[in-house]
Amino acid sequence: KAGVTQTPRYLIKTRGQQVTLSCSPISGHRSVSWYQQTPGQGLQFLFEYFSETQRNKGNFPGRFSGRQFSNSRSEMNVSTLELGDSALYLCASSLGRGQGSRDTEAFFGQGTRLTVV
Amino acid sequence: AQSVAQPEDQVNVAEGNPLTVKCTYSVSGNPYLFWYVQYPNRGLQFLLKYITGDNLVKGSYGFEAEFNKSQTSFHLKKPSALVSDSALYFCAVRDPGGYNKLIFGAGTRLAVHP
Repeated sequence: KAGVTQTPRYLIKTRGQQVTLSCSPISGHRSVSWYQQTPGQGLQFLFEYFSETQRNKGNFPGRFSGRQFSNSRSEMNVSTLELGDSALYLCASSLGRGQGSRDTEAFFGQGTRLTVV
Repeated sequence: AQSVAQPEDQVNVAEGNPLTVKCTYSVSGNPYLFWYVQYPNRGLQFLLKYITGDNLVKGSYGFEAEFNKSQTSFHLKKPSALVSDSALYFCAVRDPGGYNKLIFGAGTRLAVHP
């Protein structure tokens, strides 16, 4: 079974530009979550999508947005990039059956390393 | 607020010796707890989880974790460390009100010396 695939693996962007990151979850997984990892702040939750709907959002500015398609693939967009957006962006997929589900472990992709210059 | 603490930035252990990576949590209700490992320039790999049941949970690569409700801890253990276990380890708890949102500890770097 293929794992979580994130593209691209590496990106270099200039301040003020925008960027789109892509994530293909494990087949059959309907929940996709995004995390930002930085040395200073650690792993921080951005948002979660389930069946094309955002059902949870972290404490990030509106420049960070996402969406999910009918095949569960997800994209994350960051507009007006700032130097502080440089990070490893991780996508995680899970079955996400519901709040009390025991099949709750998330499987992560290898991440997209974004560098803003 | 829900939180996870990993009190050690780094743990050093000799190959063949047992290892423990510590984690404590604060969460309302029954916790769903996880351990992940991260190798350089890679994503997180799932090691094990605790949902309910036996307090000793067995996971991948010979790792296990002990859930202690009274001490609100979920320490990761391995009886005999390998050099290849050297990596960054994260403890996480699922946010009770946040569907699949995970709250992570700051991470502990494990260094296993030959």
